[in-house]
Amino acid sequence: DAKTTQPPSMDCAEGRAANLPCNHSTISGNEYVYWYRQIHSQGPQYIIHGLKNNETNEMASLIITEDRKSSTLILPHATLRDTAVYYCIVRVAGLGAGGTSYGKLTFGQGTILTVHP
Amino acid sequence: DTGVSQNPRHKITKRGQNVTFRCDPISEHNRLYWYRQTLGQGPEFLTYFQNEAQLEKSRLLSDRFSAERPKGSFSTLEIQRTEQGDSAMYLCASSLDPYANYGYTFGSGTRLTVV
Repeated sequence: DAKTTQPPSMDCAEGRAANLPCNHSTISGNEYVYWYRQIHSQGPQYIIHGLKNNETNEMASLIITEDRKSSTLILPHATLRDTAVYYCIVRVAGLGAGGTSYGKLTFGQGTILTVHP
Repeated sequence: DTGVSQNPRHKITKRGQNVTFRCDPISEHNRLYWYRQTLGQGPEFLTYFQNEAQLEKSRLLSDRFSAERPKGSFSTLEIQRTEQGDSAMYLCASSLDPYANYGYTFGSGTRLTVV
């Protein structure tokens, strides 16, 4: 799976949009971009994923550049409860030979997002 | 269904002792994953099961570690002869979608401290 690069930390004011960048310049054509977050003392939580089109769900929006080498996770109206570590992960989706390899997620160190009152 | 359940939440053990953790996935999920997370790092993949079959193991999973999922439901992770370096959060996750495209559901983890 391709490697990702994220800033180690970011701040955001409550109520404002939080824009979290991720670089994945070595992404392959069959690799998706996934975002997870981890709130202190909890397991990671799935947020959103996409291949090449922008995606939106009830939690966030994902903007992927046309060349797919970078993406941005947008939390439109950040709240204090959005303070967490955010992980950008690039992964092949689907089954590999023998059902192996494609199941796992490879986490980096993520971005610590702190939302201030 | 309240999600993925892991027990115990915390475990303190003396070096050299054996420990076992349990994970109860969401009932209809056929895929189950174990990860390990040390302080300040992202989770690291250890192993995963499809039903009762263990399909992949990380090189991190030394011969002191063993995982089972005997009936394709709950899973156990055992660490024999624990070492201080085993101190970490052990996370379990499960998924239904065979391609796991829509993400996993993680439990809250078992925090192991080896003294």
